[in-house]
Amino acid sequence: DTAVSQTPKYLVTQMGNDKSIKCEQNLGHDTMYWYKQDSKKFLKIMFSYNNKELIINETVPNRFSPKSPDKAHLNLHINSLELGDSAVYFCASSQDVLSNTEAFFGQGTRLTVV
Amino acid sequence: DAKTTQPPSMDCAEGRAANLPCNHSTISGNEYVYWYRQIHSQGPQYIIHGLKNNETNEMASLIITEDRKSSTLILPHATLRDTAVYYCIVRPLRRYNTDKLIFGTGTRLQVFP
Repeated sequence: DTAVSQTPKYLVTQMGNDKSIKCEQNLGHDTMYWYKQDSKKFLKIMFSYNNKELIINETVPNRFSPKSPDKAHLNLHINSLELGDSAVYFCASSQDVLSNTEAFFGQGTRLTVV
Repeated sequence: DAKTTQPPSMDCAEGRAANLPCNHSTISGNEYVYWYRQIHSQGPQYIIHGLKNNETNEMASLIITEDRKSSTLILPHATLRDTAVYYCIVRPLRRYNTDKLIFGTGTRLQVFP
């Protein structure tokens, strides 16, 4: 059973389109994250949610809108996709925001904007 | 910005110990040292963390210097499957809900036969 699962694994789309990436964790964690890894392999946090509440928004363009319907899910919707959005997006979760435990990452979604 | 410095790459023979260094000279008293790794095309994987004492688990050992300004991750018997990018991360004791993992450039460890 996959602890943190993302769908789709690969996503190829044209500029200007709107797309969503889904993330689910079955670990019972309270906190979920989205990270972006660009072509240079830098891994940077985008968002953090704790119990469905937005905690961190790292100056991400407002074309990116995370949605957390419940604490087990954190989806990422991207409007008006641009070439620079091409990257691997990782979802992660951790037990709760105030405990010193590790984060579990999904396998990533490789987004290619053409 | 990452508060750690790591060599960009290292090689290790299979079966030998891999010792990955990390400098964190500006670490604060309430900050932990975490290690993650990322095997090609996969999500980062937690390895180990520590505050000031040496730590060991089934994956690795973490040696933190007495002044806490540097640490070494030790994979005691490296295998080909340990080939990955290893990230050393400094993070505070989680008193604030804005805490986050900040990844640097890491060390690319190549284990060869």
